[in-house]
Amino acid sequence: SQELEQSPQSLIVQEGKNLTINCTSSKTLYGLYWYKQKYGEGLIFLMMLQKGGEEKSHEKITAKLDEKKQQSSLHITASQPSHAGIYLCGADQGYSRGSNYKLTFGKGTLLTVNP
Amino acid sequence: DVKVTQSSRYLVKRTGEKVFLECVQDMDHENMFWYRQDPGLGLRLIYFSYDVKMKEKGDIPEGYSVSREKKERFSLILESASTNQTSMYLCASSFHGVANEKLFFGSGTQLSVL
Repeated sequence: SQELEQSPQSLIVQEGKNLTINCTSSKTLYGLYWYKQKYGEGLIFLMMLQKGGEEKSHEKITAKLDEKKQQSSLHITASQPSHAGIYLCGADQGYSRGSNYKLTFGKGTLLTVNP
Repeated sequence: DVKVTQSSRYLVKRTGEKVFLECVQDMDHENMFWYRQDPGLGLRLIYFSYDVKMKEKGDIPEGYSVSREKKERFSLILESASTNQTSMYLCASSFHGVANEKLFFGSGTQLSVL
C-alpha cells in the first residue's frame, strides 16, 4: 500500500514567518489532498492536487505537486496563530484512477505559531 | 454545507463492553469511512462502505465491525472493547464519482476504554 512521509513532524514558528511542510510518497500520486485539523477535532479540507506541476492557493496557503507526482509541499506565508494545528496529507489509493476510495494519510505535522 | 455528525464527542467505556459509534451524513454520499487516529501513527482506516449493506475492510479491521443499513448512517461496533482501542475515532463520507472527491469528516469521538 502507499506510504506517505510527512516532514517535519512538528514545527514552531514566530507569527509572520513563512514555513513549508512536505509530503513524500512511495508511489506516484494520482490525487493528493491536504487537510488541517484543530486539536481534538475533525479534519477540514484545504486543497487537492492532481496534475504534475500543479499549484493551488487559498488565502496564504499554497500547495504544489511536483512534476514526478511523488512529492507535495504546503507553504504558508506570513503565518498567523489561526494557522496553528495539524496538517495532514492524504493520497488516493483508489481502485481506479480518480476514485476516492481508501485515502491513505501521512502522520501529520503539528504547527505551532507563537504570537 | 455537508454535515457529518458523530453521535458522541467523548465516550468512556469499560473493558469488555460492546460499544457503538454512530455517524450520520446529510449529503446522500455513497462512501462512508471509519478511521482511528493515534499519536505517532496518524490516521488509519478501519472499515469503509461504498453502498448500503456493503462494507470492506481497511488496514486495521481486527476487533471492529460495521453496519450500514441506511445510506446516511454508518456505525462502528467494538464487540468487546479493549484498552488498546482507546483512540480518537473519525467518520468521513464522500461521493463516489469519476473525479476525485474529497472526504468530509465528522468532529471525532474520543473513546477511552478503562
